[in-house]
Amino acid sequence: GDSVTQMEGPVTLSEEAFLTINCTYTATGYPSLFWYVQYPGEGLQLLLKATKADDKGSNKGFEATYRKETTSFHLEKGSVQVSDSAVYFCALIDRGSTLGRLYFGRGTQLTVWP
Amino acid sequence: DARVTQTPRHKVTEMGQEVTMRCQPILGHNTVFWYRQTMMQGLELLAYFRNRAPLDDSGMPKDRFSAEMPDATLATLKIQPSEPRDSAVYFCASGLVHQGQAHQPQHFGDGTRLSIL
Repeated sequence: GDSVTQMEGPVTLSEEAFLTINCTYTATGYPSLFWYVQYPGEGLQLLLKATKADDKGSNKGFEATYRKETTSFHLEKGSVQVSDSAVYFCALIDRGSTLGRLYFGRGTQLTVWP
Repeated sequence: DARVTQTPRHKVTEMGQEVTMRCQPILGHNTVFWYRQTMMQGLELLAYFRNRAPLDDSGMPKDRFSAEMPDATLATLKIQPSEPRDSAVYFCASGLVHQGQAHQPQHFGDGTRLSIL
């Protein structure tokens, strides 16, 4: 079945540090991949997405590249800010399915200190 | 920007009471999802609907939980009777899915924070 595995948190960084949050997936079909972000007290917001192999999604300085050969979609940012402190979720949708269901990882808590 | 609206944002009640959570999906979206988020279990899918018809509610405890879509602008999740272990944040999300186009992202509401005493 479809599933997503992301690195365990929490991740604590100093401002301007480099961020990587690992995400790997298992899919029976050909998935689209997403990163969602959840700020304290809020719902999940779409951060970026990629729909086919070698696509790079990017937004707000964050990037992730769809790697079919390694079934990965790692999130990166070159210089994090305090305002990036949040929980980050990797997710997939099986594009061959009409269900439209998202499969989420467990989430990774990121805390950035000034 | 269009948003998914959930009410109430917070709910505190005693065990045994009925709890109703409401969700207004984004206009034009044909799929509605209910999730529960806890520290222990993370994000769990409870149920989802397509064009107001239930597609899957296997993630939902059937004895006390029920989900409905009385019309295209309203989805409800009810717990009766409520128990302390139901304390969690409940999220509604909506999306647009067409055959062969199941890759659209979902839009989430801000959640209902439920505490059962």
